[in-house]
Amino acid sequence: QVQLQQWGAGLLKPSEILSLTCAVNGGSFSGYYWSWIRQPPGKGLEWIGEINHSGSTNYNPSLKSRVTMSVDTSKDLFSLKLSSVTAADTALYYCARGTGTLPGTYYYLDVWGKGTTVTVSS
Amino acid sequence: DIQMTQSPSSLSASVGDRVTITCRASQSINNYLNWYQQKPGKAPDLLIYAASSLQVGVPSRFSGSGSGTDFTLTISSLQPEDFATYYCQQSYSSPRTFGQGTKLEIK
Repeated sequence: QVQLQQWGAGLLKPSEILSLTCAVNGGSFSGYYWSWIRQPPGKGLEWIGEINHSGSTNYNPSLKSRVTMSVDTSKDLFSLKLSSVTAADTALYYCARGTGTLPGTYYYLDVWGKGTTVTVSS
Repeated sequence: DIQMTQSPSSLSASVGDRVTITCRASQSINNYLNWYQQKPGKAPDLLIYAASSLQVGVPSRFSGSGSGTDFTLTISSLQPEDFATYYCQQSYSSPRTFGQGTKLEIK
């Protein structure tokens, strides 16, 4: 049973860099889109972006200028960095596994981490 | 970006009711549509992918239908554990946008 364990700093000041990491436990690291989604307090879900095991990325254009995702295949980890954070970046951040990397297959998020609350405040 | 609009935004229903939630895409997405259920304080769970395929382990009272721009999630007979917020997500193109959510509450 694949599980995602995520961690990172929970309290940031404006202009700092948000940094989160997610470990993939109990399953294959290749063949998936490793994804980040966030949810502001009381609001809906926003897809931030994804990365595959080779390091190919796909970011939401609304955040692209500030987002960097990376993978560490030796440890089955993937990470998110979001620069120049503001209060608008305060949210619950989830890592998740996305399927559908093969032609003819469907994309969906079938395994999720528990979430990390990130608060940006001066 | 493809915009996903769910209706209603909230819904009150009783145990045993049949409930339908609608999701509309701003352009055709074929059947590249997923549904998730989120309970308070928890990560979302996948219910349905490819518009109508039930994820393993999801009760058969959940069903999905639609293609193109209009989709529905139906719960045939509401159970107490079904009161939650439901999100659709398109996977036709990037960014993989979500609907704003439908909160299903107990009447």
